[in-house]
Amino acid sequence: GAVVSQHPSRVICKSGTSVKIECRSLDFQATTMFWYRQFPKQSLMLMATSNEGSKATYEQGVEKDKFLINHASLTLSTLTVTSAHPEDSSFYICSARSSRVSNTEAFFGQGTRLTVV
Amino acid sequence: AQSVTQLDSQVPVFEEAPVELRCNYSSSVSVYLFWYVQYPNQGLQLLLKYLSGSTLVESINGFEAEFNKSQTSFHLRKPSVHISDTAEYFCAVSDQNRDDKIIFGKGTRLHILP
Repeated sequence: GAVVSQHPSRVICKSGTSVKIECRSLDFQATTMFWYRQFPKQSLMLMATSNEGSKATYEQGVEKDKFLINHASLTLSTLTVTSAHPEDSSFYICSARSSRVSNTEAFFGQGTRLTVV
Repeated sequence: AQSVTQLDSQVPVFEEAPVELRCNYSSSVSVYLFWYVQYPNQGLQLLLKYLSGSTLVESINGFEAEFNKSQTSFHLRKPSVHISDTAEYFCAVSDQNRDDKIIFGKGTRLHILP
């Protein structure tokens, strides 16, 4: 099956610094990638949708200047949390979709647990 | 906009007992429906999905879900649970016509009692 790798799996950073999370589709080309945020004991909240080579589409309430998304190639998308604060601590999950693999299913990375201290 | 309701945040059930995790979605337009499972400290894995055709779909580990259009439901069932089924289960929906976002419910934590 299609594999999505997310790195790092855990990161601790100081308040005010920026953190980059990578999401890679290992064995397929991802035409669309999604970034989710999961609060403890809650559901996944869609943050943004990105298509290769174009600007990401952010969901309402998500600060695009705070959460920078780059989808530079068909196998890599990055999420940068800028000037991180403790309230940004969360579990971030990416998913990728390819029309060649499946028109319907998205494949998920393992997630990144961000802790801002 | 699509929304997904999972009425139960947590479901305790004894091992080898049957279980049903409820899921309702908001819209009556054509949708794709999914159940994802998240084991402790892991990412999401697709458990099963409904795209079209038979309204009853099954997974390889004994789970099944039935799409009920009139009730806009996609409840997940298993006739006999195992301790290894302990996980968070998320119901999700995607609009067939838009084919982009997958919207998730809040999840149901399945807690298997010995």
